[in-house]
Amino acid sequence: NAGVIQTPRHKVTGKGQEATLWCEPISGHSAVFWYRQTIVQGLEFLTYFRNQAPIDDSGMPKERFSAQMPNQSHSTLKIQSTQPQDSAVYLCASSLEGGQDTQYFGPGTRLLVL
Amino acid sequence: GDSVTQTEGPVTLSEGTSLTVNCSYETKQYPTLFWYVQYPGEGPQLLFKVPKANEKGSNRGFEATYNKEATSFHLQKASVQESDSAVYYCALSDRSNNRIFFGDGTQLVVKP
Repeated sequence: NAGVIQTPRHKVTGKGQEATLWCEPISGHSAVFWYRQTIVQGLEFLTYFRNQAPIDDSGMPKERFSAQMPNQSHSTLKIQSTQPQDSAVYLCASSLEGGQDTQYFGPGTRLLVL
Repeated sequence: GDSVTQTEGPVTLSEGTSLTVNCSYETKQYPTLFWYVQYPGEGPQLLFKVPKANEKGSNRGFEATYNKEATSFHLQKASVQESDSAVYYCALSDRSNNRIFFGDGTQLVVKP
């Protein structure tokens, strides 16, 4: 079992550019979660899919951020017109069925917006 | 809404001393409680979870008891090691939630 895979591990973008982050959940897991982690804000929930359907996006910024899960083997988080304040580690996690199931995290993508 | 409050870090200890990280929670439901640990450069990983009140979870010498009356889930270890240096997250999830709610994390620094 390879665990949750996130690519790229590091990404540097210029202000105003677009960034797409990829996540491959553990095979057989139906729930996928995205989090943002910074020193100031800690671990922030962004969004959650179950069986590829968006369930809860209450943590997603209303502008510039979007997430998709086109198939059971990957999810993407897209940030348009990136800003320096978007610099963070973006973590993806998957669990068997969501809810109270244990979440397994990937290593994260460290995004730096210059 | 659901929330988790834990000891504010950093907590700095010498190797061999005991650790307590306090965790209190608020929920209207009957939650499962978790402790996660995050090492530098990695995502958080489950340390252990406890689904039932009055039961204890443990792993790698760490333990915590689910205290429903006090709404607490304090993390303890009798003798910490330098390799325990990490960030520790208390978290909860209940049947009405789709997800796990995490506390702000407590950074532990263990000096040799």
